[in-house]
Amino acid sequence: EPEVTQTPSHQVTQMGQEVILRCVPISNHLYFYWYRQILGQKVEFLVSFYNNEISEKSEIFDDQFSVERPDGSNFTLKIRSTKLEDSAMYFCASSGSGGKNEQFFGPGTRLTVL
Amino acid sequence: GDSVTQMEGPVTLSEEAFLTINCTYTATGYPSLFWYVQYPGEGLQLLLKATKADDKGSNKGFEATYRKETTSFHLEKGSVQVSDSAVYFCALPRGTGRRALTFGSGTRLQVQP
Repeated sequence: EPEVTQTPSHQVTQMGQEVILRCVPISNHLYFYWYRQILGQKVEFLVSFYNNEISEKSEIFDDQFSVERPDGSNFTLKIRSTKLEDSAMYFCASSGSGGKNEQFFGPGTRLTVL
Repeated sequence: GDSVTQMEGPVTLSEEAFLTINCTYTATGYPSLFWYVQYPGEGLQLLLKATKADDKGSNKGFEATYRKETTSFHLEKGSVQVSDSAVYFCALPRGTGRRALTFGSGTRLQVQP
């Protein structure tokens, strides 16, 4: 069964450093998403991506964040200068073009900012 | 934007007990509604969904009915197992025509043998 994969599973970084989180969505999906979950809290939407551009973003997704689909398979989230409050689990998701919008989530990357 | 409200957890039940986790929503229009489950140490998995009023989503013994009159989508299971211990999230699209989801705060279920 196809699945969304994410790397790394855990990333530790120093405050102010740049990090890139990687995702490989399901191959025939067209919509891609990043969400985050601060420990013990709700899952929050960051950004969605379709047709090589951002289709929607939340107020969390400020200028420190960017997304890219550098090739036909990867989807990345970059945080330019990490802050302590960026520590969270980051989930990638993808969905097909159908109207039912069933999103499939990856296992997540735990980001720890020290 | 559209939103969901879930009952607070944790919910602790004995094996084979009946489960209800309440979810109510606020939305313009009639969005699809979802329940996701997060097992310990794992990502989110779609548990079930309903796309229109009076639809019943079901999976793995769990059910939820899309109630337009009460704007609810409560999750139920007749007989829970220890393996059902997880966090359950109700979700819906962030707004009409949007695909990104907004999630409830999650309800942790602990099933004891």
